[in-house]
Amino acid sequence: SQTIHQWPATLVQPVGSPLSLECTVEGTSNPNLYWYRQAAGRGLQLLFYSVGIGQISSEVPQNLSASRPQDRQFILSSKKLLLSDSGFYLCAWNPKGPSGTIYEQYFGPGTRLTVT
Amino acid sequence: GENVEQHPSTLSVQEGDSAVIKCTYSDSASNYFPWYKQELGKRPQLIIDIRSNVGEKKDQRIAVTLNKTAKHFSLHITETQPEDSAVYFCAASINRGSTLGRLYFGRGTQLTVWP
Repeated sequence: SQTIHQWPATLVQPVGSPLSLECTVEGTSNPNLYWYRQAAGRGLQLLFYSVGIGQISSEVPQNLSASRPQDRQFILSSKKLLLSDSGFYLCAWNPKGPSGTIYEQYFGPGTRLTVT
Repeated sequence: GENVEQHPSTLSVQEGDSAVIKCTYSDSASNYFPWYKQELGKRPQLIIDIRSNVGEKKDQRIAVTLNKTAKHFSLHITETQPEDSAVYFCAASINRGSTLGRLYFGRGTQLTVWP
């Protein structure tokens, strides 16, 4: 069965510090991968998505970046965090079937980031 | 791109009553419409979805309806229970080119079920 992992689960970082969040998917190959951010009490904001290794699409031009060094690994990074980067970061994936992408999208457990 | 609007933003019902959440979408190419439930502090969970070749789908106490002509779809929860209290998100997906699989979400509805 497929499983998605995110770490760390919680993180408290000072303003100006770097960030690296990791997401991995098990039990599938060549999934679509997504990074979302959810501010407190707000909706889901898509940050990045990837349809394959090294292929990243950005939805919001911010101080965040994403990379996909391996098929089932998706990393969200920042060189210098802002207070506004606080939130709940969710990784998600679409499995792909023989005929192409399957639409169901599943979320990881999330990382709660507090920038102080 | 696709624009999904969701109403109401908050909904309070008495236990045992029904709840209905409505969404509209803008792009007629959208062909997949999932609904997610997010409990406080947890990840969104897929609870039901519908594809554009189906008008209605039901799973126990929850059902989703789709009107392609009017470009709107709705979530219906019957016999609500306190554990149905959560934020519900609708979404739409356009099956076209490089955006295949990408979901466009509504802003969410906070459902509260009072015992």
